[in-house]
Amino acid sequence: DVVMTQSPLSLPVTLGQPASISCRSSQSLVHSDGNTYLSWFQQRPGQSPRRLIYKVSNRDSGVPDRFSGSGSGTDFTLKISRVEAEDIGVYYCMQGTHWPHTFGQGTKLEI
Amino acid sequence: EVQLVESGRGLVQPGGSLTLSCAASGFTFSTYWMSWVRQSPGKGLESVANIKQDGSEKYYVDSVKGRFTISRDNAENSLYLQMDSLRAEDTAVYYCAAGYSRRYWGQGTLVIVSS
Repeated sequence: DVVMTQSPLSLPVTLGQPASISCRSSQSLVHSDGNTYLSWFQQRPGQSPRRLIYKVSNRDSGVPDRFSGSGSGTDFTLKISRVEAEDIGVYYCMQGTHWPHTFGQGTKLEI
Repeated sequence: EVQLVESGRGLVQPGGSLTLSCAASGFTFSTYWMSWVRQSPGKGLESVANIKQDGSEKYYVDSVKGRFTISRDNAENSLYLQMDSLRAEDTAVYYCAAGYSRRYWGQGTLVIVSS
């Protein structure tokens, strides 16, 4: 199985400041169809996960533009340009290129 | 508004069976890959099973192969997970998710396997 490794696992943040989460995969996430199926999810306390980003850098509708995704191959990053209070929660990356689709361990964003 | 509503939560003894259902609305169900994803208490997320739009392809994580069966009814906009030979390690919140990259999620349903 593809192992997804996130860092850091805990990220203390200051409101209004930027934050960045890294996600590395144990093998390339470039699919045979040419797409890279790397997604980012946010899970607020007591809620279901919510997808923020798909195919590396595409933001879902309704997701604030302070969230951005980048990367290629095996190395990916989620950036929050200015952290707001509502951003607190756990963030997961997920690869959908190789079955089983696997998630990172999660990064807890906390003040 | 997109809605995914899971049902079938319960407490089951080891070796027992349970069927989870997911009722979908607000999107064209028959055009979406569908998935079950689980989250053990205090833990991360694990893909359990995926099913293609027409049901022709199904994928399972190794730990549930031969015990769980994913299915769908496009006429009823519903997704199912038949779980047999349940083990303590299957205890988790089970989420129904729509889309190859899990675009939409349900609220989850809790399954506890314990004697």
